[in-house]
Amino acid sequence: SAVISQKPSRDICQRGTSLTIQCQVDSQVTMMFWYRQQPGQSLTLIATANQGSEATYESGFVIDKFPISRPNLTFSTLTVSNMSPEDSSIYLCSVQTGLAGPRDNEQFFGPGTRLTVL
Amino acid sequence: EDKVVQSPLSLVVHEGDTVTLNCSYEVTNFRSLLWYKQEKKAPTFLFMLTSSGIEKKSGRLSSILDKKELFSILNITATQTGDSAVYLCAVVSRVNAGGTSYGKLTFGQGTILTVHP
Repeated sequence: SAVISQKPSRDICQRGTSLTIQCQVDSQVTMMFWYRQQPGQSLTLIATANQGSEATYESGFVIDKFPISRPNLTFSTLTVSNMSPEDSSIYLCSVQTGLAGPRDNEQFFGPGTRLTVL
Repeated sequence: EDKVVQSPLSLVVHEGDTVTLNCSYEVTNFRSLLWYKQEKKAPTFLFMLTSSGIEKKSGRLSSILDKKELFSILNITATQTGDSAVYLCAVVSRVNAGGTSYGKLTFGQGTILTVHP
């Protein structure tokens, strides 16, 4: 498995501001993913970040609202822009270790960032 | 659109009981099914199931996949209060984008399990 850290672990932000969440992995990984988990809901994929290419966004999520960077194989950031109270969620990054064979679809999650927008 | 449905949505039991959690799915390009336990923020990996009929076991937890009927179950025997959590089922489908192939997870709603002493 991979060891994943996220910063910040939590934050309280004002409406209209932006927050950048960092995700660091202890090993090189091919794919990194960003999820949102709204209160009482399950995880929803925001986008997939492949190093060296543009992130791929899921339906309902756009780059202007959630810009993502993936500068190398161990690091990614997600920015939540122009925040509103509806953006209050837990944001999680995950990685696919890309091991060959039957375990190549395992995904491991970071500790999450709990965001509250006032 | 890929779809994963879990049942029940919540379950309250007493220590020592056995529980069965269900997960049904409809996805294209199925690769595998994953079970996670979520207690605070980060889901922790429990099982990955790829083949039908092969039971995976870890202590008091076990899981099996039926690819013909498109479902999986997660069993927990002799439940303990520490088993109280949200249990998430996710199905991995293979996606090709930008010249890269990867597994995309679609999650179910989760089952909230509460185990009373």
